Amino acid sequence: AQSVAQPEDQVNVAEGNPLTVKCTYSVSGNPYLFWYVQYPNRGLQFLLKYITGDNLVKGSYGFEAEFNKSQTSFHLKKPSALVSDSALYFCAVSGDSNYQLIWGAGTKLIIKP
Amino acid sequence: GAVVSQHPSWVICKSGTSVKIECRSLDFQATTMFWYRQFPKQSLMLMATSNEGSKATYEQGVEKDKFLINHASLTLSTLTVTSAHPEDSSFYICSAPLAARAADTQYFGPGTRLTVL
Repeated sequence: AQSVAQPEDQVNVAEGNPLTVKCTYSVSGNPYLFWYVQYPNRGLQFLLKYITGDNLVKGSYGFEAEFNKSQTSFHLKKPSALVSDSALYFCAVSGDSNYQLIWGAGTKLIIKP
Repeated sequence: GAVVSQHPSWVICKSGTSVKIECRSLDFQATTMFWYRQFPKQSLMLMATSNEGSKATYEQGVEKDKFLINHASLTLSTLTVTSAHPEDSSFYICSAPLAARAADTQYFGPGTRLTVL
């Protein structure tokens, strides 16, 4: 069965420091991996996705993610965090045969000034 | 990027009444739309897949007679919560992919906060 794990409920980072939000997945066939961000009482905004090709994917707002097939991971990163990055981050995966997204539980990112 | 709107953004209703939520793709046609439910501080729960011109596909445990979905055009899907009760209070979000392919990005509406008194 397909699944996505975000092992951290919350991540705290000081402004200006690098941040990492972790995601691991389990899917049969080729994985299509996504990161979305949700601000309070808002819908989700697309950040980036991995389909194929270069393992390092760059997305919106300076975020990037690295696809690691051997570790089945797709961690979200940013070199220098901003207070405005504070939000809820979701990792999601779909597979070859099904375009429905399987969602992680979400990670609350708190950036402290 | 593609834009998806939802209306209303919030609604308060009395127990026993029905509430309709609209989801529109503003600048693209969506043959498929998804309806999610999100509880506070939790992930998204897929309720159903809305297909233009055909019946919706509901996820296990979702009552199709309670959550009526209609996808009458390529830009509009509606979710009607019938005979709403306080336990139906939640944040409802719709999404639509540009194309119904596994690699395609889904674009989300801003969500509708439903409160049933």
